[in-house]
Amino acid sequence: EVQLVESGGGLVQPGGSLRLSCAASGVNINKNDVQWVRQAPGKGLEWVSLIFDSGSTHYADSVKGRFIISRDNSKNTLYLEINSLSSEDTAVYYCATRPVTNSRVWGQGTLVTVSS
Amino acid sequence: DIVMTQSPDSLAVSLGERATINCKSSQSVLYSSNNKYYLAWFQQKPGQPPKLLIYWASTRESGVPDRFSGGGSGTDFTLTISSLQAEDVAVYYCQQYLSVPYTFGQGTKLEIK
Repeated sequence: EVQLVESGGGLVQPGGSLRLSCAASGVNINKNDVQWVRQAPGKGLEWVSLIFDSGSTHYADSVKGRFIISRDNSKNTLYLEINSLSSEDTAVYYCATRPVTNSRVWGQGTLVTVSS
Repeated sequence: DIVMTQSPDSLAVSLGERATINCKSSQSVLYSSNNKYYLAWFQQKPGQPPKLLIYWASTRESGVPDRFSGGGSGTDFTLTISSLQAEDVAVYYCQQYLSVPYTFGQGTKLEIK
């Protein structure tokens, strides 16, 4: 079964950091373009970051310089390191493949809450 | 950045009737090398992750009912539900995945009239 499972979310104070994980099964993350998308409470979907199969990375302007996307091919896991957090980063964070291959899948999401 | 604009923001349709949602991109999302539109449609129900319905603007994802169809060309795209069912109540999003950032439309909330 093709599956992405996010973890690592939680409650963090403003200015703090977290590392989100996205464990893949049935799909090789190093052979797919994989993105992070977030959704603030009651709001729409916001694209956050992408790592191409080549390893090239891209970020939304709203997170550039604060977030770092990476992957561990040996663990078939994608990561998103999120730093200098503010309340505006409170959201459910989803990982998902870019729908350009036969491996089209979204995870269930992990909630990040930034609050003191 | 490519701006994706959906219309309407909300829509109420009677059961069994047709529902049409529009998505307009500020620039072309056509990749000339393969002649494909890099445009996807998603359905999201409360408390659930987005579900991919349509990719390449008009290719239905496996398992998606055939009452869902995607169309359009240039910078104007549509998602059509041919005969609305109760389980189709959701928010629908379009996304372009041609050029980073891979922007989403603002969403269209579909309800039963």
